[in-house]
Amino acid sequence: AQSVTQPDIHITVSEGASLELRCNYSYGATPYLFWYVQSPGQGLQLLLKYFSGDTLVQGIKGFEAEFKRSQSSFNLRKPSVHWSDAAEYFCAATTSGGSYIPTFGRGTSLIVHP
Amino acid sequence: NAGVTQTPKFRVLKTGQSMTLLCAQDMNHEYMYWYRQDPGMGLRLIHYSVGEGTTAKGEVPDGYNVSRLKKQNFLLGLESAAPSQTSVYFCASSYPERSYYNEQFFGPGTRLTVL
Repeated sequence: AQSVTQPDIHITVSEGASLELRCNYSYGATPYLFWYVQSPGQGLQLLLKYFSGDTLVQGIKGFEAEFKRSQSSFNLRKPSVHWSDAAEYFCAATTSGGSYIPTFGRGTSLIVHP
Repeated sequence: NAGVTQTPKFRVLKTGQSMTLLCAQDMNHEYMYWYRQDPGMGLRLIHYSVGEGTTAKGEVPDGYNVSRLKKQNFLLGLESAAPSQTSVYFCASSYPERSYYNEQFFGPGTRLTVL
């Protein structure tokens, strides 16, 4: 079955520190991958997406993610976290070879300490 | 361009009452979705629609009904609310014909409490 796993429920970092949020997928075909951010009390907003080509993709708000086929991973990174990055982050995937309905991970809550 | 809007933003119901949540989008999207979000559970798909007049069940459809009479609107109904339906409900929509690799656009959510 297709699945998306975010191993970390919570991540705590200090402001200015680097960040990496993990995402692993299990799909038969190469998936299309997404990262969304949900600020408190808000809906989800797309940060970035990967379809093909360059495995390092840039997104909004200074985020980037790297697709690693060998590790079935699509980890989200940011070199220096700001207090306003505190939010819930969701990884999602879909594929052209099956259902077009995306599968979401359970989310990682990012806490930023001053 | 308002994007995806949801009505109402908050609602409190008593067990057994009914209500309808309205989702509207002005982006001419074919696909629309209803999710519920509960702590530690992420987003769970309730129902979705691939076009006007069509709907399909998602992961957790029991206790909910939907209708897509107009392309821009997707309604979620609770016929007899239960405390287990206390949740935050999100509507989303996505581009036609290339839904599988285009992102979803989300509404701001409806916070529903069932007493």
